[in-house]
Amino acid sequence: KAGVTQTPRYLIKTRGQQVTLSCSPISGHRSVSWYQQTPGQGLQFLFEYFSETQRNKGNFPGRFSGRQFSNSRSEMNVSTLELGDSALYLCASSLTLLAGGYNEQFFGPGTRLTVL
Amino acid sequence: DQQVKQNSPSLSVQEGRISILNCDYTNSMFDYFLWYKKYPAEGPTFLISISSIKDKNEDGRFTVFLNKSAKHLSLHIVPSQPGDSAVYFCAARGSQTGANNLFFGTGTRLTVIP
Repeated sequence: KAGVTQTPRYLIKTRGQQVTLSCSPISGHRSVSWYQQTPGQGLQFLFEYFSETQRNKGNFPGRFSGRQFSNSRSEMNVSTLELGDSALYLCASSLTLLAGGYNEQFFGPGTRLTVL
Repeated sequence: DQQVKQNSPSLSVQEGRISILNCDYTNSMFDYFLWYKKYPAEGPTFLISISSIKDKNEDGRFTVFLNKSAKHLSLHIVPSQPGDSAVYFCAARGSQTGANNLFFGTGTRLTVIP
């Protein structure tokens, strides 16, 4: 079974530009979460999508947005890039959402974004 | 505001000895804790977890201990092997914050010396 795939793997942008990252979850998985990893902050939760709806959102500005398609693939978009947005962006998929429970999340290899 | 903290950025251990990785948290509403392992150029992979109703969970060479009163958990690896060399992340989840909204620590890089 193929794992979580993320494209592109590496990206270089300049301040003020926007960027779109893509995530394909494991086949059959319907929940996709996004995380930002930086050296000083570790992994920080961005948002989670299930059945094309955003179910949960972390503490990030509105420049960060996402969406999920009917095939569960997800994209995240960052507009008006800042230097501090340089990070590894990780996508994780899980089978479903469990109220009060936890479904194991499987992470992709990430997209390394560098903002110059 | 870092709700999950791993105060040791790195740890070196001799092969065959015990590795102990520590993690502290501040939010008493966390009810589920996990450890992830991450190799370079790969995403984190789930290692072991523990519910807040338990104080210990064991899986082969890996054991996680939870001390709720101290808001502290630790991961023990016995015996340590060179293949265990990786970055280990502690993570926590609160049922009120969403099923898959994990709060991660900053990671501890474990080096197992052959």
